[in-house]
Amino acid sequence: QVHLVQSGSELKKPGASVKVSCKASGYTFTTYAMNWVRQAPGQGLEWMGWINTNTGNPTYAQGFTGRFVFSLDTSVSTAYLQISSLKAEDTAVYYCARIYCTGGNCYKAFDLWGQGAMVTVSS
Amino acid sequence: EIVLTQSPATLSLSPGERATLSCRASQSDSNYLAWYQQKPGQAPRLLIYDASNRATGIPDRFSGSGSGTDFTLTISSLEPEDFAFYYCQQRSNWPPMYTFGQGTKLEIK
Repeated sequence: QVHLVQSGSELKKPGASVKVSCKASGYTFTTYAMNWVRQAPGQGLEWMGWINTNTGNPTYAQGFTGRFVFSLDTSVSTAYLQISSLKAEDTAVYYCARIYCTGGNCYKAFDLWGQGAMVTVSS
Repeated sequence: EIVLTQSPATLSLSPGERATLSCRASQSDSNYLAWYQQKPGQAPRLLIYDASNRATGIPDRFSGSGSGTDFTLTISSLEPEDFAFYYCQQRSNWPPMYTFGQGTKLEIK
């Protein structure tokens, strides 16, 4: 079975950094790009961008440049999201997500999601 | 950048009733339109992709329709487990990026 398992909740102070992991299993990690999605408390979903798991090339959505970095460790089938200079407004659940593939075809929607990693920024 | 506007913000219905949720795009770009269901404390669940195709394992009471700028998710007869938040998402052709709508809360009347 295919799974994405994320790291646990984090409590950080403003100005600190955090690194969230997303470990894939059950499929060839480098075949499919990994997306990141943010959900602030009580709010909707925001697409943060994606990383090409074959080349390591990241693409960031507007509003997620500068302090946000996507990276990989393909040896352990894991994608990472690092956020630096944390602010209170970074408090959110961060999801990794993979595109939907079935019957040998892939589609522009996400069907495989991690369980989410809650990052709380508070002094 | 495309903006997706979902309506209504909240929909109050009873089990057995028909639900119609709307998603309107600020411009016509692609029909790569997906619908997700999300319950509190859970990751989103893909229901519909490419505007009208049900994802694997999704009951046939869920259906999607539309093209261009207007898309609809219909739940033909609400089950108790269908009361949740629903989000639409579009993948634009250029620039290649994803956008989510702000969501519709489907609550029990």
